[in-house]
Formats: sequence, C-alpha cells, structure tokens
Amino acid sequence: ELKVEQNPLFLSMQEGKNYTIYCNYSTTSDRLYWYRQDPGKSLESLFVLLSNGAVKQEGRLMASLDTKARLSTLHITAAVHDLSATYFCAVDGDSNYQLIWGAGTKLIIKP
Amino acid sequence: DVKVTQSSRYLVKRTGEKVFLECVQDMDHENMFWYRQDPGLGLRLIYFSYDVKMKEKGDIPEGYSVSREKKERFSLILESASTNQTSMYLCASSPSEASEQYFGPGTRLTVT
Repeated sequence: ELKVEQNPLFLSMQEGKNYTIYCNYSTTSDRLYWYRQDPGKSLESLFVLLSNGAVKQEGRLMASLDTKARLSTLHITAAVHDLSATYFCAVDGDSNYQLIWGAGTKLIIKP
Repeated sequence: DVKVTQSSRYLVKRTGEKVFLECVQDMDHENMFWYRQDPGLGLRLIYFSYDVKMKEKGDIPEGYSVSREKKERFSLILESASTNQTSMYLCASSPSEASEQYFGPGTRLTVT
C-alpha cells in the first residue's frame, strides 16, 4: 500500500524556536510537494522538490528531499505566529495523475 | 497565475436533494480533481479527470458522480445528498501527469 506519513501530526511551539516536520513515503517517487492550509481555507503550494538532494527555501521555511531514504523535511527557523497552519506533503502515486497525501501537520506557534 | 474557482464557498442543502458543485480553471490544465476533507481524515480523492469526458474513480466515489464536458470545467454531483456528505469539498487542477496541483478555495457543504 502506498503511504505517506507525516511526523508529528500536531506541533505547538514558541515563537523564535526551530523545528522540523518529517514526511516519509513508501513509493519510489522522485517528486515531493509541500502545501500549506490556513484554517477554513484551501491548500496553497509551498514547494515542489523534483529530485534527490533538492533543497528549497522561502523565508523561514526550508524543504529538502532524500529520495534514497524516501524522506522529506520541512524546517522552520525562528518561527513566527504567521506560520501557524496545517502543512501537507504529497508524492506522485502509481497512477501518474494522482498524488498520495500525508495526513497533515497542524502547527501552532505561540507568541 | 493559475486560477481555480468554485461556484460556492458555503452551501446548505437538505437530505435527498441533488447537489451540483462546479469548478472552473483558467489555465488549460488537462487534469482536474475533486477531494473532500474531513477533520482527522485528511484529503480523500473522490474523482479525477484527465481529459474532457474522461473520468476515473478515486478512493471514495460512492454517492458521487462527475461531469467534464469542457476542459475548463469539472462538476461534482451528489445525486441524493446525505448528512454524511457534509464536508469541505476541494477542487484542484494540474497541467500534466503527476505534477503540482492547484487548488480552488473550497466549498463547505452542509447537508441537513
């Protein structure tokens, strides 16, 4: 069964701290996607990682991909309250049109 | 910018009603998707379409049907709405096989 597992599923942290969200997957996908969802809103694309070793950064968020380990990380540096959201990772499924989604990590950053 | 729009942000329907949710994308994408999202259950794929008039079932197609008569429009139909179909419905599109999906704003449907 194709699986994408995110860890942790819930994270409450203080502003200014660093933390990492992990995304493990069971497929042989070379591509991984990170999305952000604010409460009551839709999903917004954050990063598309297209190959082994890919690293992308925007602001306080940095995502990386290790296809050999089937692992992606989303690192948050010096967190601020505005980063509070649910973060999803997804990989290509067996059928080329579909994505396999993680359950999401709900991130709460307290002032 | 890719734009995916959905016909309603909020919808309240009665049990047994036929419900149409419409999704339109303006970037000539081949693929379109309908998901539902429920607390604790993540995103679940209902149906997707990879071309006009082509559709495939996702993980939870029961109680739903879809229609894609034009490339830019993908409709989700609840033939006879039930209370367990109360959910957030998200439409997405993508330009090619296995690529990044772009989401609409979502429709929060309540069936009473």
